[in-house]
Amino acid sequence: AQSVSQHNHHVILSEAASLELGCNYSYGGTVNLFWYVQYPGQHLQLLLKYFSGDPLVKGIKGFEAEFIKSKFSFNLRKPSVQWSDTAEYFCAVSRMNTGFQKLVFGTGTRLLVSP
Amino acid sequence: DGGITQSPKYLFRKEGQNVTLSCEQNLNHDAMYWYRQDPGQGLRLIYYSQIVNDFQKGDIAEGYSVSREKKESFPLTVTSAQKNPTAFYLCASSIEAGRTDTQYFGPGTRLTVL
Repeated sequence: AQSVSQHNHHVILSEAASLELGCNYSYGGTVNLFWYVQYPGQHLQLLLKYFSGDPLVKGIKGFEAEFIKSKFSFNLRKPSVQWSDTAEYFCAVSRMNTGFQKLVFGTGTRLLVSP
Repeated sequence: DGGITQSPKYLFRKEGQNVTLSCEQNLNHDAMYWYRQDPGQGLRLIYYSQIVNDFQKGDIAEGYSVSREKKESFPLTVTSAQKNPTAFYLCASSIEAGRTDTQYFGPGTRLTVL
């Protein structure tokens, strides 16, 4: 079965530190890749997505992610985090499955940024 | 404002009772989804609907039921058969289910069974 792994369950950083959250998936076919973020008390919202083209994807709020097909990875990065980046981050992968785009989520990474 | 609304925000029910969670969208999206979020488990798909009057089971449909009588509405009923219903429930929608479209999420309903 297709799975998505986020190995860092909790990450604590100081402001201005660099961030990299890992995401690996198991499916070998064509995939679409997403990072969603859930700020405290807010909706789950899209941070960035990759469908095709340049494997380095830029999203909102200074986030970026790189798709490395050979490593089945889609790691999220930010060069300098802010206190407002404190949130839970979810990686998700989808593939066409009998005409339906099933979205499979990782277990999430809770990021705490201390001021 | 366009978006997805879910009500209520918090819901309490006694064991053995059925309860219905509301999800409404005014985005004119064809596809709608229900997910369940548990700590440390991410989001898991309960049911999805690609079009009005059609819906399919997701990965954890047991103990749940849905209907899709209108394009903008996709209510979820948590029945007494659901063994562990306490969770955070998220509704989502996308333009179509068969394309590489982004799913947009509602604010969620936190259900607690007493």
